[in-house]
Amino acid sequence: GENVEQHPSTLSVQEGDSAVIKCTYSDSASNYFPWYKQELGKGPQLIIDIRSNVGEKKDQRIAVTLNKTAKHFSLHITETQPEDSAVYFCAASHPGGGNKLTFGTGTQLKVEL
Amino acid sequence: GAVVSQHPSWVICKSGTSVKIECRSLDFQATTMFWYRQFPKQSLMLMATSNEGSKATYEQGVEKDKFLINHASLTLSTLTVTSAHPEDSSFYICSAPARQDSTDTQYFGPGTRLTVL
Repeated sequence: GENVEQHPSTLSVQEGDSAVIKCTYSDSASNYFPWYKQELGKGPQLIIDIRSNVGEKKDQRIAVTLNKTAKHFSLHITETQPEDSAVYFCAASHPGGGNKLTFGTGTQLKVEL
Repeated sequence: GAVVSQHPSWVICKSGTSVKIECRSLDFQATTMFWYRQFPKQSLMLMATSNEGSKATYEQGVEKDKFLINHASLTLSTLTVTSAHPEDSSFYICSAPARQDSTDTQYFGPGTRLTVL
């Protein structure tokens, strides 16, 4: 089955700096890679996703890059703000998987003033 | 984006009792919904896939007789934790895929915090 690894597990940055979180996946058939932000005591919120037919996607301060050959994808947050502090999860799914998502282990991002 | 709700948001029950958690897709229909469990500082672990009008599919190691799932309509799935014990205390989250631009995107509910005394 699919295995998704995520690094780092914790990340502290100064406000205004950039943050990068990386994930690798094992199943080369995976073609959908969403990123979720989870605040304490709440459900995960989709912040951006990418499909295997593109290599990069950007939405304001958030971007995701995908390298299919290396089977890794990354989340980039620029101009970080304190409200970006949360746990971020990457995930992967593949066609025929019935929309099942396999999640990474999560990254606790802390944006310090 | 699509909206998924859960009820209740938190529940406390005595050991040995059963608890039902509801998951609703508010503005779209979902033939499939997913139930996850999340322990503190851990990732989401898929428990089962809820299928409208048919039996749920459980992940390996999840007791189907303990975690009863019913998906009676295209907008509602329920998870019943039967004979709950303290080790069942956890954060339970559901999700449902919504079709947008010919592809499916998963949206999550706000979660239900279960505490078993």
